[in-house]
Amino acid sequence: EVQLVESGGGLVKPGLSLRLSCTASRFTFGDYAMSWFRQAPGKGLEWVGFIRRESYGGTPEYAASVKGRFSISRDDSKSIAYLQMNSLKTEDTAVYFCTRDSTGGAFDIWGQGTMVTVSS
Amino acid sequence: QSALTQPASVSGSPGQSITISCTGTSSDIGGYNYVSWYQHHPDKAPKLMIYDVSYRPSGVSNRFSGSKSGNTASLTISGLQAEDEADYYCSSYTSSSTVYVFGTGTKVTVL
Repeated sequence: EVQLVESGGGLVKPGLSLRLSCTASRFTFGDYAMSWFRQAPGKGLEWVGFIRRESYGGTPEYAASVKGRFSISRDDSKSIAYLQMNSLKTEDTAVYFCTRDSTGGAFDIWGQGTMVTVSS
Repeated sequence: QSALTQPASVSGSPGQSITISCTGTSSDIGGYNYVSWYQHHPDKAPKLMIYDVSYRPSGVSNRFSGSKSGNTASLTISGLQAEDEADYYCSSYTSSSTVYVFGTGTKVTVL
């Protein structure tokens, strides 16, 4: 079964950093762009950013709300996408999901999510 | 980049049809055929229901259909069933630096 599994969530103090991982299995990871989303408590889904496949430059793009603080990278040899979150704020508290971008924003595979709580 | 606008809630009785609207601008929905819809049950991973405006992924019931007119996309659920009760989100590619924009979400209630 095609699968994505997020890890690395937890409780972190404001201003600090956290890195999430998204491990893919049973598909050719390098053939796809990968996105990160989040859902804050009681709120809707928010696209955080994505990273293109290497054949398209492997470059990332970000939502305005996280640009300059978050960065996305990938290791195709390990089938892992990363979300590095720096200068965390309380409003970054959310469940974070990684997804596979099959084409033009069709996010067809989702992980179960990992909770990030930013609190002092 | 503002979120796409969806009604907060839509309800219907079993067997009925409902339609959820998703309004954007010419920079997103109106400019591209990259509109997708997601079903999200609490504590579960979201599920892709429609992509490229009107295409259903394999395994998604044909009771779900999508369309677009101008800057507004729509998701129609026909033959409403109890299991359809969930939150639904639309999404679109956008020409802004944001790349993708999501809708505000609609809670579907089966009466």
